[in-house]
Amino acid sequence: EAGVVQSPRYKIIEKKQPVAFWCNPISGHNTLYWYLQNLGQGPELLIRYENEEAVDDSQLPKDRFSAERLKGVDSTLKIQPAELGDSAVYLCASSLNEKETQYFGPGTRLLVL
Amino acid sequence: GENVEQHPSTLSVQEGDSAVIKCTYSDSASNYFPWYKQELGKRPQLIIDIRSNVGEKKDQRIAVTLNKTAKHFSLHITETQPEDSAVYFCAASKTGRRALTFGSGTRLQVQP
Repeated sequence: EAGVVQSPRYKIIEKKQPVAFWCNPISGHNTLYWYLQNLGQGPELLIRYENEEAVDDSQLPKDRFSAERLKGVDSTLKIQPAELGDSAVYLCASSLNEKETQYFGPGTRLLVL
Repeated sequence: GENVEQHPSTLSVQEGDSAVIKCTYSDSASNYFPWYKQELGKRPQLIIDIRSNVGEKKDQRIAVTLNKTAKHFSLHITETQPEDSAVYFCAASKTGRRALTFGSGTRLQVQP
């Protein structure tokens, strides 16, 4: 069984540019999470989806971040415009439902110059 | 909201020794406590988890204990091996908000 897939794995952009990350969860997993992981720290939740509905986006900086999960499968996280402080690893995770184990993708490492 | 504190931040042991990592949480409603292992540049991987209706859980060389009254839980690794070297994260969540709140991580180094 394939795990959570994310792309790209690495991204380097200049500040004020837009960037987008893509996540394909494990097949059949209804719940999808986006986490932000700064260097040397634990992941922090940005947004959680139950199917196509964003049920917890309280930590998402909505002035520059947006996310979507069309058809309740793949998800895209966008930053526009990117700032220097957005440099981090963006992790996607999925679970069968909100009660089950979360499985993480390999992450997208973003560097904003 | 939930706050999870993790100690120590770094831990160095000799191969074959035991390692213990401790976490405390603030929200008494939290009822699910997983532990993840993250090797450099790789994804966090679940190694063991425990729910609040259980006080201890063991899987081969790793075990987790939970003290709900004191709101702390611990990871125990016995007979450590060099391949156990990684960063370990504890986390907590509760029914209705299953997003995990992570600790700050413990960098474990097992010296051969």
